[in-house]
Amino acid sequence: GAGVSQSPSNKVTEKGKDVELRCDPISGHTALYWYRQSLGQGLEFLIYFQGNSAPDKSGLPSDRFSAERTGGSVSTLTIQRTQQEDSAVYLCASSVTYSSRGNTIYFGEGSWLTVV
Amino acid sequence: GNSVTQMEGPVTLSEEAFLTINCTYTATGYPSLFWYVQYPGEGLQLLLKATKADDKGSNKGFEATYRKETTSFHLEKGSVQVSDSAVYFCALSDVNSGYALNFGKGTSLLVTP
Repeated sequence: GAGVSQSPSNKVTEKGKDVELRCDPISGHTALYWYRQSLGQGLEFLIYFQGNSAPDKSGLPSDRFSAERTGGSVSTLTIQRTQQEDSAVYLCASSVTYSSRGNTIYFGEGSWLTVV
Repeated sequence: GNSVTQMEGPVTLSEEAFLTINCTYTATGYPSLFWYVQYPGEGLQLLLKATKADDKGSNKGFEATYRKETTSFHLEKGSVQVSDSAVYFCALSDVNSGYALNFGKGTSLLVTP
């Protein structure tokens, strides 16, 4: 597609349930990034992918969070046993490559997660 | 580690006023610097960037100069418009994190007619 596409755009879930958030990057972009945006924390970097590989998972908030990317394209961020503090906007972004200085990173509209 | 500090908002200005939003950074390497903007109800968009010292990024009347000696990348515009009302984020990236962006907390700007 023309831009980074994320789904769902809005998700309300009950505490304790699992959720999956999907990101479809710009075609041909090898680098993919996940961020979380919340009122108290600003923009928090979660994880990045070089192709299908995530070299550093230390930014994930807890072991309830996981992410994968397949075929060098679509990525899924999974949150298990959701908690109210997980409520936030989850942003996906992509760029042409992960190895070029000054890369422009393009963001999707985000998935707004509310845990009740 | 890397970090970005930008001035707290909200900033309220009258139309045609001069805008400065301060941004300073700490980096272990030699980062690239960015300003992103988030208009109400929209996603993050790149506003401008600079990849080396003394570079000036510019777009839509906004400018920022990469100052290595003061580790700063302040955003300026000579005459703001109501349509510039948005949240502005300063960010850096470097090779150590796969060029992922490390953002400041954002500065909300409201321009009144």
